[in-house]
Amino acid sequence: SYELTQPPSVSVSPGQTASITCSGDKLGDKFAAWYQQKPGQSPVLVIYQDTRRPSGIPERFSGSNSGNTATLTISGSQAPDEADYYCQAWDSSTAEGVFGTGTRVTVL
Amino acid sequence: EVQLVESGGGLVQPGGSLRLSCAVSGFTFSSYDMHWVRQATGKGLEWVSGIDTSGETHFAGSVKGRFTISRENAKNSLELQMNSLRVGDTAVYYCARGKGSGRTRCMDVWGKGTTVTVSS
Repeated sequence: SYELTQPPSVSVSPGQTASITCSGDKLGDKFAAWYQQKPGQSPVLVIYQDTRRPSGIPERFSGSNSGNTATLTISGSQAPDEADYYCQAWDSSTAEGVFGTGTRVTVL
Repeated sequence: EVQLVESGGGLVQPGGSLRLSCAVSGFTFSSYDMHWVRQATGKGLEWVSGIDTSGETHFAGSVKGRFTISRENAKNSLELQMNSLRVGDTAVYYCARGKGSGRTRCMDVWGKGTTVTVSS
């Protein structure tokens, strides 16, 4: 089955840039989405189709996807950005959704 | 306001069955794919199942043959029938609205989840 791997944790200072990677075989041939999940809350979609932001998501969230790696970038990180982040793709060969292993972002 | 409200969770013994429901409002239910995603305590998200607007269904390998998904557009309702439950199925189950199609599938609106516990 298809797998997506993320680093367990990323730390960033307030105002700096955080980059979260998501690795999978030929992930660039698929489309990546990213979700933010805060403790005790449901996930929120922050990026879809690699680079697109849903309405209401701050511009500091951006995405890219090429080769085997998709990246979520948080520019000018803020305290409210502390959360778990998950990448997700659709594996057309098995018709299954796949989530990454998740990354905890700490802003300190 | 778009809302998804899950129900039907609870405690069930291994080998037992449970039926989850998701009541939706605030959008044209029949026009959207729908999904179930679960999360065990302290663990990551796991996609479980999805159903297209045409009624085509998809399942994760871990639940294939044990779970079925269905939708009743007239009642704005999504359901997940879970049979032969295992301890490993214990999780919060989220109902989520689908966005995109084909390779772009993702989930743009999520419910608050319902908790399923499989234990003897």
